[in-house]
Amino acid sequence: GAVVSQHPSWVICKSGTSVKIECRSLDFQATTMFWYRQFPKQSLMLMATSNEGSKATYEQGVEKDKFLINHASLTLSTLTVTSAHPEDSSFYICSAHTGTVSGVYEQYFGPGTRLTVT
Amino acid sequence: AQKVTQAQTEISVVEKEDVTLDCVYETRDTTYYLFWYKQPPSGELVFLIRRNSFDEQNEISGRYSWNFQKSTSSFNFTITASQVVDSAVYFCALRGDYKLSFGAGTTVTVRA
Repeated sequence: GAVVSQHPSWVICKSGTSVKIECRSLDFQATTMFWYRQFPKQSLMLMATSNEGSKATYEQGVEKDKFLINHASLTLSTLTVTSAHPEDSSFYICSAHTGTVSGVYEQYFGPGTRLTVT
Repeated sequence: AQKVTQAQTEISVVEKEDVTLDCVYETRDTTYYLFWYKQPPSGELVFLIRRNSFDEQNEISGRYSWNFQKSTSSFNFTITASQVVDSAVYFCALRGDYKLSFGAGTTVTVRA
């Protein structure tokens, strides 16, 4: 299957700083990428959907000014957590889909990035 | 609106026992897809199965089997002869238009 990578796999940052997480589709072009957030022992919650070359669509309750998403190319999307605070500590997972084939598309997940804000 | 309910929060079994994970969903879409994912302690999601709403055939893959019943909006997952390596969190998910909605997950612990 297709491969989605994330970098870094884990990051520790100080409160008030910003951190960028990269999501890459390694062997396919991803017209759409998704960003999820997962708190410990909880489910994945969709934060936003990004399409290449256009602004991301954020889910209700997600602060777009805090979680900046850029999808500059068909293989790269970035999530920047601005002015991070301890409550932003979480596991962030990206996902990319391959586009439709007969109305069906495959969605592939990255390995996740664990963010700890101290 | 879509909703996926996994009523079982945690299940603990002894190795070689069978374990069934329940999943009930709600959607207004006539065409939709159901998924099961495994999330081991490493955190990376592992895709297990996708089933579309028009295909109610049950499926077996090795020790895994799935029972899809549209009449009861359920898509249950059974692990036969469980092994310690099956210990993980299992998520059921539903996709209607393009959004994938996850259930709360069921933590399976298989004891040796």
